[in-house]
Amino acid sequence: AQTVTQSQPEMSVQEAETVTLSCTYDTSENNYYLFWYKQPPSRQMILVIRQEAYKQQNATENRFSVNFQKAAKSFSLKISDSQLGDTAMYFCAFMTGTSGSRLTFGEGTQLTVNP
Amino acid sequence: NAGVTQTPKFQVLKTGQSMTLQCAQDMNHEYMSWYRQDPGMGLRLIHYSVGAGITDQGEVPNGYNVSRSTTEDFPLRLLSAAPSQTSVYFCASTPGVAYEQYFGPGTRLTVT
Repeated sequence: AQTVTQSQPEMSVQEAETVTLSCTYDTSENNYYLFWYKQPPSRQMILVIRQEAYKQQNATENRFSVNFQKAAKSFSLKISDSQLGDTAMYFCAFMTGTSGSRLTFGEGTQLTVNP
Repeated sequence: NAGVTQTPKFQVLKTGQSMTLQCAQDMNHEYMSWYRQDPGMGLRLIHYSVGAGITDQGEVPNGYNVSRSTTEDFPLRLLSAAPSQTSVYFCASTPGVAYEQYFGPGTRLTVT
């Protein structure tokens, strides 16, 4: 069975600073995909970034980037130049190539950006 | 496109009542899923479907039924509501494995 662990239930950061959210996962598969989703107070789930396990290059999307360490099974999210609108719950999620699009989620990290 | 729509947004049930949470998508996605979100536990998969007529159980299927008669619709049925089913329910769809999942706005269900 696949598991995803987010060890930081809550984090805070000052506006314009950089913050890193941690995620580790466990799987015996070689073909898989990793995602970070954001859930603001509106409750809507929004994709932040995704990473294919077969790609060595870390994914980036504007101020968001990941540090993917395949051997360590680690997938952290770095948010640069934090903005007040980044305040949200962040979920790390995992999907295998044979899972039929089923996502396994971590417990979430509540990020608060302070002015 | 409306994307993924869910109705109702809020619902209160009494223990033992049954109801159906509706989910529809207009993106012609083959894959659809139902998740529940509980505090401190992230989202957990209830049931999923890889196409019309095909459904399978996820991590927490007990007490729930699904069917997929069309590509667009994927309703979730609570057979006999229990307080343990108090949660926020999300429906999601995706065109295939490894693609982004598109989530509906969620249904907050309270069972008293």
